[in-house]
Amino acid sequence: NFILTQPHSVSESPGKTVTLSCTRSGGSIGSNYVQWYQRRPGSSPTILIYEDNKRPSGVPDRFSGSIDSSSNSASLTISGLKTEDEADYFCHSYDTTNQVFGGGTRLSVL
Amino acid sequence: EVRLVESGGALVQPGRSLRLSCLTSEFTFDDYAMHWVRQVPGKGLEWVAGISWNSGHIAYADSVKGRVTISRDNAKNSLFLQVNSLRPDDTALYFCATAQHPNWGAPEHWGRGTLVTVSS
Repeated sequence: NFILTQPHSVSESPGKTVTLSCTRSGGSIGSNYVQWYQRRPGSSPTILIYEDNKRPSGVPDRFSGSIDSSSNSASLTISGLKTEDEADYFCHSYDTTNQVFGGGTRLSVL
Repeated sequence: EVRLVESGGALVQPGRSLRLSCLTSEFTFDDYAMHWVRQVPGKGLEWVAGISWNSGHIAYADSVKGRVTISRDNAKNSLFLQVNSLRPDDTALYFCATAQHPNWGAPEHWGRGTLVTVSS
């Protein structure tokens, strides 16, 4: 089994760019696809990125995903930050018998 | 638009059992694997169980293995989660979610959740 570790919280100002990290322990980050989810207070999670860097239809291109083998981590970059981006962000990966979420990062936009 | 509606959450005493349901609509249910994911209030997401389109592949999180059974009824477009020997740390909002593919995959579309509270 593997673990995904995210920073607990991040703050940034509107209009700026922020990068959220997700570090894998136990195996290579490239071994399994990485997804990213957003959960606003009172709402269900929504998928922002799947298969490392693909955006579902309807997700703005302000959101982008990547993986870095050298740091064994994945990243979610949000550009042109808006106050509506304030939410919890969870990274995720899976294999044939397990689905693993990171602990989540609370993004504050202020 | 994909619709997932969970039900069955309740306040229950430790040691009791509960059956959660997820009624789906607006998509072809038996084209997708399904998952249950839970979130303790104020904490992160935790995957609980998943099932392939034809129930041929089923997997459980280690934290619930042996106490939980996931099942589906494709004729009724419904997903179920039977949780036995409930413990206080099972207290959470339980979401059902579609997977991306028929046999497995990441959660994609999510319901609004049903709240399970385990307390004496």
